[in-house]
Amino acid sequence: GAGVSQTPSNKVTEKGKYVELRCDPISGHTALYWYRQSLGQGPEFLIYFQGTGAADDSGLPNDRFFAVRPEGSVSTLKIQRTERGDSAVYLCASSLIGGPPNSPLHFGNGTRLTVT
Amino acid sequence: DAKTTQPNSMESNEEEPVHLPCNHSTISGTDYIHWYRQLPSQGPEYVIHGLTSNVNNRMASLAIAEDRKSSTLILHRATLRDAAVYYCIRNSGNTPLVFGKGTRLSVIA
Repeated sequence: GAGVSQTPSNKVTEKGKYVELRCDPISGHTALYWYRQSLGQGPEFLIYFQGTGAADDSGLPNDRFFAVRPEGSVSTLKIQRTERGDSAVYLCASSLIGGPPNSPLHFGNGTRLTVT
Repeated sequence: DAKTTQPNSMESNEEEPVHLPCNHSTISGTDYIHWYRQLPSQGPEYVIHGLTSNVNNRMASLAIAEDRKSSTLILHRATLRDAAVYYCIRNSGNTPLVFGKGTRLSVIA
């Protein structure tokens, strides 16, 4: 079946611009997670949705980062006034209700964001 | 803070078993041990998880020490497709998974 889909797969933007990254979770998965991964590091948690609401946004680095999931399915990660330090692979994952340990995370292949 | 300790890298010969260690000496009674792996240019994928007892699935086996302060992921017969970064994560289920740097496994033909 279809896995987690992330678009675009690559995004190059100029410093100061606004970007949106999209995540289509597996159908029926109520939990959705955003992580970002810098070169040589493990994925770093950003935000977690249960349904339409953000259950935990403690990983968002600052108020330039925002994420929405208005209908409890597709989610968009929004980054304002991008900085070169935002360059990373942004990963999305989904799971059935409750997540681990009862339901593992299923990751997409990420969006590689490059800020020039 | 990933709260687990893993070697940075390991190497294995193809078709031989691989034992990937993980230390989690401060584990609490409700923490599960999860293993994910990340192949090049892909997102992480779930491998296995357990609480106290050893676990087996089609991908791997998980051996958990009796005191639960360490565990070992066992790949019974490494193939070139098993070359990846393997992440060991302890998690109680109340918070999102926290990934460390993992162990980079190289498989030699």
